[in-house]
Amino acid sequence: ETGVTQSPTHLIKTRGQQVTLRCSSQSGHNTVSWYQQALGQGPQFIFQYYREEENGRGNFPPRFSGLQFPNYSSELNVNALELDDSALYLCASSFGTSGPQETQYFGPGTRLLVL
Amino acid sequence: AQSVAQPEDQVNVAEGNPLTVKCTYSVSGNPYLFWYVQYPNRGLQFLLKYITGDNLVKGSYGFEAEFNKSQTSFHLKKPSALVSDSALYFCAVRDKEFGQNFVFGPGTRLSVLP
Repeated sequence: ETGVTQSPTHLIKTRGQQVTLRCSSQSGHNTVSWYQQALGQGPQFIFQYYREEENGRGNFPPRFSGLQFPNYSSELNVNALELDDSALYLCASSFGTSGPQETQYFGPGTRLLVL
Repeated sequence: AQSVAQPEDQVNVAEGNPLTVKCTYSVSGNPYLFWYVQYPNRGLQFLLKYITGDNLVKGSYGFEAEFNKSQTSFHLKKPSALVSDSALYFCAVRDKEFGQNFVFGPGTRLSVLP
């Protein structure tokens, strides 16, 4: 098991609502990336945070936003939820932005269902 | 643009037999290739990665992968499959120009039959 934790494990929301997902990174890691994994698909990159600033973003609309805190934990916020936002949301931590060879370690995920 | 293909949705193999899970990639620069495994209701677990050097990479749980630049492939292998290897396997790639973030393949479901 990695030291990456996520909360909550499961969540049910309705369309139009807002949701906040949380992630604690592995000890010693200062970079957090978020991914969306729809059913039957591979994870898709949402964005990354390094030292409390966004450090890259995938093809997701602005209603997906995030934060990173001084202790390197992170939040993913999604506004105006849509049915297609139903997915497993994965957080991954790593150390620094030393290069693409750096391994990312994933948490167990938060499963979001939007009704 | 980077992309990863896993041509098989499902691979079935008998316990004790060798297994191969295929992956091909497309990147603009030098590839950095990773394999992850996902068990039901769990996150992704890192298996192994290719950065540079020896084309045969050894990883966790007896898995290895062979990097082939001419065929742009990075197939995952194991000499003797276990029932407990049954899971969803993802190949992922980064290149230097793209930075830190992974592009994942669609996944291959491996079933090891007793």
